[in-house]
Amino acid sequence: DIQMTQSPSSLSASIGDRVTITCRASRSVSNYLNWYQQKPGKPPKLLIYAASALRSEVPSRFVGSGSGTDFTLTISGLQPDDFAIYYCQQSYSSPTFGQGTKVEIK
Amino acid sequence: QVQLQESGPGQVKPSETLSLTCTVSGDSISGFYWSWIRQPPGKGLEWIGYIHSRGTTRYNPSVESRVTILLDTSKKQISLKLASVTAADTAVYYCAKYDNSGFDYWGQGTHVTVSS
Repeated sequence: DIQMTQSPSSLSASIGDRVTITCRASRSVSNYLNWYQQKPGKPPKLLIYAASALRSEVPSRFVGSGSGTDFTLTISGLQPDDFAIYYCQQSYSSPTFGQGTKVEIK
Repeated sequence: QVQLQESGPGQVKPSETLSLTCTVSGDSISGFYWSWIRQPPGKGLEWIGYIHSRGTTRYNPSVESRVTILLDTSKKQISLKLASVTAADTAVYYCAKYDNSGFDYWGQGTHVTVSS
């Protein structure tokens, strides 16, 4: 299995801040890396696929980058609706998720 | 717009078999992978397995010896059976549509507690 490691596990930020979440794969996943947002009591929502492709309804302040083993999700201009848990997931082989990064209000 | 809805018992006794169904509406079931994912209380996401509309399956090695995923294309339903459950199988269980671009449509999830 490919292990996915996210950092940090949690972070505190203010409205308007820029935040960056990192995801590292235990071996190369090419660009088969996806990002999800999950709010309490809800299923995860796919934000970004293929490392950097934004789903159509997702705001442009969400930006994904990276390839191989190292990836980042950047949220520019944090909004109240963005406080949630974010997961990365590789689809290069049998799917595996990172452990999640909780974005909290400072 | 694809919609998925999970259903099944909310409680299962230890050592018994957990059985859930996911009903798909709004789109064809053909040509896609249909997956089960679970999330223990307060924890992260664990992929359980998937089935393609052609019938091929793949399972997470952590549960492979206990899990079966089946597809009924006429009813547009995907079923999950997990045998010999323990308290560690207590989780919210989600079904989701999957391809290499990720899990793009999810059900709302169903909570299953393993308890006597």
